[in-house]
Amino acid sequence: DSGVTQTPKHLITATGQRVTLRCSPRSGDLSVYWYQQSLDQGLQFLIQYYNGEERAKGNILERFSAQQFPDLHSELNLSSLELGDSALYFCASSEGAGAGRNIQYFGAGTRLSVL
Amino acid sequence: EDKVVQSPLSLVVHEGDTVTLNCSYEVTNFRSLLWYKQEKKAPTFLFMLTSSGIEKKSGRLSSILDKKELFSILNITATQTGDSAVYLCAVEAEVYGGSQGNLIFGKGTKLSVKP
Repeated sequence: DSGVTQTPKHLITATGQRVTLRCSPRSGDLSVYWYQQSLDQGLQFLIQYYNGEERAKGNILERFSAQQFPDLHSELNLSSLELGDSALYFCASSEGAGAGRNIQYFGAGTRLSVL
Repeated sequence: EDKVVQSPLSLVVHEGDTVTLNCSYEVTNFRSLLWYKQEKKAPTFLFMLTSSGIEKKSGRLSSILDKKELFSILNITATQTGDSAVYLCAVEAEVYGGSQGNLIFGKGTKLSVKP
């Protein structure tokens, strides 16, 4: 168990809908990362938050947004869902800045199926 | 564009064999290279490498980094069926003048160990 908690484990929804994925980082970790994993693309970085502030953005669609709350948990919001958004969404956390403190620990993921 | 390439994409061996997995990278402002093992769901951390030529070991697994030739290898000796998994290589690039960056993942090597 990595200590990173993601809910829900599975989510089935229809095209056009909006969903929210939730992540609680390991105790003491300040950084949260979101990744999308699909069969053909592998693990793709979406966005990073550090202590409540957005730090880095990857290939995140405009329909997707995220935030990190004062208690450091994070939410990833996916809207106007399309079939191609079906994937495994991972959250990871790390201590923060500094050499050797950036090992990212992954949650079990949320499997999103858009029908 | 930053990229991480792993080879081979898949590998089938028998218990007791030794395997070498390869990871090459082209990244601006390299900071570290990480190896993860992904079985059913969450990638689990194996090693973080930051310096060339220093071997990291954990039981039957070992890894080394060559920053001049821009590659890393992961060795697994005396393989067991429990080693069957996808092994992911990821590179961290430095952003924000010294703070951490996101991970760029390769597509992984799928290792199957037959009894």
